Amino acid sequence: DSGVTQTPKHLITATGQRVTLRCSPRSGDLSVYWYQQSLDQGLQFLIQYYNGEERAKGNILERFSAQQFPDLHSELNLSSLELGDSALYFCASSVAATDSPLHFGNGTRLTVT
Amino acid sequence: QQQVKQSPQSLIVQKGGISIINCAYENTAFDYFPWYQQFPGKGPALLIAIRPDVSEKKEGRFTISFNKSAKQFSLHIMDSQPGDSATYFCAASTASKLTFGTGTRLQVTL
Repeated sequence: DSGVTQTPKHLITATGQRVTLRCSPRSGDLSVYWYQQSLDQGLQFLIQYYNGEERAKGNILERFSAQQFPDLHSELNLSSLELGDSALYFCASSVAATDSPLHFGNGTRLTVT
Repeated sequence: QQQVKQSPQSLIVQKGGISIINCAYENTAFDYFPWYQQFPGKGPALLIAIRPDVSEKKEGRFTISFNKSAKQFSLHIMDSQPGDSATYFCAASTASKLTFGTGTRLQVTL
């Protein structure tokens, strides 16, 4: 068990809808990362937050947004969902903003129908 | 642009054999090279990692070989076991951004 908790485990929704994915980092970790894993794209970095502030941005669509709250949990909001957004979404956490190992949660499987 | 290229896509090895997975990178600013192991239904888990000032790192049956001049690194799994059957991802990092390879699905047969 990595200590990173993601909810929900599974999510099925329709095109055009909006969903929120939640992540609780390991105790003591200040940094949270979001990754998207799909069959044809592998693990794609979306965004990183460190202690409540956006730290780095990757291939995150404008329809997607994230935030990290004062208690350090993070939420990833996906809106105007398309079929192609169906994927596994992973949250990871680390102690520092850089140069520290990432610990991944077990992911949220999103299916858009 | 795929900055970390991983091969092979899939690998079948007999129990007791050596599994070898290769990765190549382009960005010379990368300064941290971890390998992750992922079982079905689980998130990736850090297996072993290396920094470019070291050419080899060994932890139990797992060894990373690193060739800075060739911009290549590889994972060797000695005495492969059925429990090693999983997907393996190499990755490379600069600052806080971790870039993953596309993964290798390893199957260890009896």
